[in-house]
Amino acid sequence: GAGVSQSPSNKVTEKGKDVELRCDPISGHTALYWYRQSLGQGLEFLIYFQGNSAPDKSGLPSDRFSAERTGGSVSTLTIQRTQQEDSAVYLCASSFNVGGINEQFFGPGTRLTVL
Amino acid sequence: TQLLEQSPQFLSIQEGENLTVYCNSSSVFSSLQWYRQEPGEGPVLLVTVVTGGEVKKLKRLTFQFGDARKDSSLHITAAQPGDTGLYLCAGEGETSGSRLTFGEGTQLTVNP
Repeated sequence: GAGVSQSPSNKVTEKGKDVELRCDPISGHTALYWYRQSLGQGLEFLIYFQGNSAPDKSGLPSDRFSAERTGGSVSTLTIQRTQQEDSAVYLCASSFNVGGINEQFFGPGTRLTVL
Repeated sequence: TQLLEQSPQFLSIQEGENLTVYCNSSSVFSSLQWYRQEPGEGPVLLVTVVTGGEVKKLKRLTFQFGDARKDSSLHITAAQPGDTGLYLCAGEGETSGSRLTFGEGTQLTVNP
């Protein structure tokens, strides 16, 4: 597709279970980002991948959160032993540096609800 | 840590009114972007400003980057119900590479 896609669009899980969220970036975009957004709030940075460089994991809230990006394309965000406070919309974005500017293109998000 | 403060957090106005949203920081940004987000969707990029003092217009929307590249504003003229949404500013720091720092957003509601 032409845009960033994310799956699933909605995920309801029970406390303590693991979940995997997937992001397919725009083809050719070298950078990929994960954010978390609570209802009506701004975006909380989680992790950033740029090419083959080591990812910037400085935004991950705990060691229950991890992400990988295989082959420089698709990325998976994994949350282990989910807690109710993990409930939020998880947004993925990709970008390509043009003239020193990274303009991010976002997917529709995955709404995670932890019961 | 770079912070971006957006104001107001909530804004409810009548169709036809003008409004301004502000984005302020004590840090200098190499560029600043404005996004609009509708319920159930991801943010959509509206504009990027990169030069201090730069003004960009997008139909009824006017974006300005402060001379010192620490602040920005979004002005909407004659707001319409279709302008309703969450407006987010995001700055790219001079030293943080391409990681963006987002403001908390301004939830705009334009009533018919």
